[in-house]
Amino acid sequence: NAGVTQTPKFQVLKTGQSMTLQCAQDMNHNSMYWYRQDPGMGLRLIYYSASEGTTDKGEVPNGYNVSRLNKREFSLRLESAAPSQTSVYFCASLDLAGGTISYNEQFFGPGTRLTVL
Amino acid sequence: AQRVTQPEKLLSVFKGAPVELKCNYSYSGSPELFWYVQYSRQRLQLLLRHISRESIKGFTADLNKGETSFHLKKPFAQEEDSAMYYCALRHGSSNTGKLIFGQGTTLQVKP
Repeated sequence: NAGVTQTPKFQVLKTGQSMTLQCAQDMNHNSMYWYRQDPGMGLRLIYYSASEGTTDKGEVPNGYNVSRLNKREFSLRLESAAPSQTSVYFCASLDLAGGTISYNEQFFGPGTRLTVL
Repeated sequence: AQRVTQPEKLLSVFKGAPVELKCNYSYSGSPELFWYVQYSRQRLQLLLRHISRESIKGFTADLNKGETSFHLKKPFAQEEDSAMYYCALRHGSSNTGKLIFGQGTTLQVKP
């Protein structure tokens, strides 16, 4: 199993450009999450999908959109990139429906390092 | 408001010294607390969770509801413990699985 995969690994954009970050998991998890990691800020939740067919805003959703394409895939789109969106983006998944949630952990992808000039 | 605070950005110790990474939280209900670790060039991974009361790689963490803390401890640090550590909180009866992360603490273990 590859676990959680993300593409691309690195990306440089100019202000105003758009792009989509891809995330896929092969663990048959129901829930998926997008976080951004910034120095001194920790990880902050952008959007999440508790189950296939649903998406909800997290702590910092402005400037982003998401699509839960199917159970495996959850993409994050920047419609008009801004320098403030320079960050490392992590996707994660969780087996929300599998047994007692207390023992369920989020599995993370390797991250996408995005620079917006 | 739900919040997780890790007061130290960087903690530097010598090999063999005790380590304590601090984590305080603000939450009105029954939280679940976790420690995640990110080694250099690796993805974030779960280290331990309070509900399991386990010791992983020599690390332990006790949930202190009175002090609203979940500090991570290890009696003798090793160089391979050098990494970024995140404390995280989840609502005890969450139906979304969302985590709230602290700011992270970089642990540097010097030889």
